[in-house]
Amino acid sequence: SQQGEEDPQALSIQEGENATMNCSYKTSINNLQWYRQNSGRGLVHLILIRSNEREKHSGRLRVTLDTSKKSSSLLITASRAADTASYFCATDAGGNNRLAFGKGNQVVVIP
Amino acid sequence: GAVVSQHPSRVICKSGTSVKIECRSLDFQATTMFWYRQFPKQSLMLMATSNEGSKATYEQGVEKDKFLINHASLTLSTLTVTSAHPEDSSFYICSANPPGLGTDTQYFGPGTRLTVL
Repeated sequence: SQQGEEDPQALSIQEGENATMNCSYKTSINNLQWYRQNSGRGLVHLILIRSNEREKHSGRLRVTLDTSKKSSSLLITASRAADTASYFCATDAGGNNRLAFGKGNQVVVIP
Repeated sequence: GAVVSQHPSRVICKSGTSVKIECRSLDFQATTMFWYRQFPKQSLMLMATSNEGSKATYEQGVEKDKFLINHASLTLSTLTVTSAHPEDSSFYICSANPPGLGTDTQYFGPGTRLTVL
């Protein structure tokens, strides 16, 4: 069963704006990851946050993790047209190195 | 960085035929690989864990006789969709796990688009 579950958002924003998407999960985790997928392509790993971390930055990405609420957010600052993609969170809740993916958020950045 | 390839990238076949998809780790050895399927505008669903030298572990609801997995070497896992039907049309993605490391080092292939007519 899917562990990570994003709010079923389809974001459409102007270039330069920030994009925020959320993810919730149901069981205990060791880490949570965010991936990007361009249409018809494979997944690109963006960032990993461990269960003992609350916030992490990587370039224009900011990830937060609230283990008490079992939720995470991904913020993309100063969005670019190239950020247009689907974004998924995944947790290691499946065990045995298996990842459980959430539903995904489709982000469209309008130039 | 680590690279995982898939072949073919796209395949169209007639109903009833079998289709083999390859997943290769190009610059590392992978004792474990994972196979996912993804329907349009949906998330990835884990189908099975491919284990080098032993049987694959299938997720609940995935037919092992329908989706044959063979992990014959440390760099190659194959997924064969047997007697494919239109409902098997999907995007199949593999990932590979370098041995001894956890989920934070899982690398994904570019995916294979299967269309069954």
